[in-house]
Amino acid sequence: AQTVTQSQPEMSVQEAETVTLSCTYDTSESDYYLFWYKQPPSRQMILVIRQEAYKQQNATENRFSVNFQKAAKSFSLKISDSQLGDAAMYFCAYSPSPGSSNTGKLIFGQGTTLQVKP
Amino acid sequence: DTAVSQTPKYLVTQMGNDKSIKCEQNLGHDTMYWYKQDSKKFLKIMFSYNNKELIINETVPNRFSPKSPDKAHLNLHINSLELGDSAVYFCASSQWGGHEQYFGPGTRLTVT
Repeated sequence: AQTVTQSQPEMSVQEAETVTLSCTYDTSESDYYLFWYKQPPSRQMILVIRQEAYKQQNATENRFSVNFQKAAKSFSLKISDSQLGDAAMYFCAYSPSPGSSNTGKLIFGQGTTLQVKP
Repeated sequence: DTAVSQTPKYLVTQMGNDKSIKCEQNLGHDTMYWYKQDSKKFLKIMFSYNNKELIINETVPNRFSPKSPDKAHLNLHINSLELGDSAVYFCASSQWGGHEQYFGPGTRLTVT
């Protein structure tokens, strides 16, 4: 069974600095999707970034980028120029490939609470 | 212009009651989901529907019954509510195939 692990329950960063959130996963599949979601205190789940496993290039979305290491099964999120609005809980998530019997089943990590200090 | 909406956002009820949560999406997606977020913020899938057909049914008590009248709607009915059902329930939608899912605002259910 696939699992996702976020080993950092809490992280803090100074405003305008860079922070990296860690995520590792376990799967026997070769094709899958990985995501980072943000959950601010409003509890809305917001998609931050996605990565297809078959793509070697790391995904980027403005100040957010990932370091995808397929062999190591690692998927970390880097937030550059941190802003107060980045303070939230961040979830790493794995989704099996379209051919899997569990297609669409998002498997979440435990979450990392990010504090941004002014 | 809300993409995925849920009603109600808050639900407080007593043990033993029956309640429903409604979900609607206007993104044109063909797949919808229900997730449960517990008090420790852990998120776990409960059900998924693709084109009104039940695809994923995790180990969920049969007191929980999803219903999808059409591709844009997925409702969750809960019978005989228990204290342990207190949680935040999220509806989500996506295109079929493991693509990114878009979440509703969540429904905080409190059973007293």
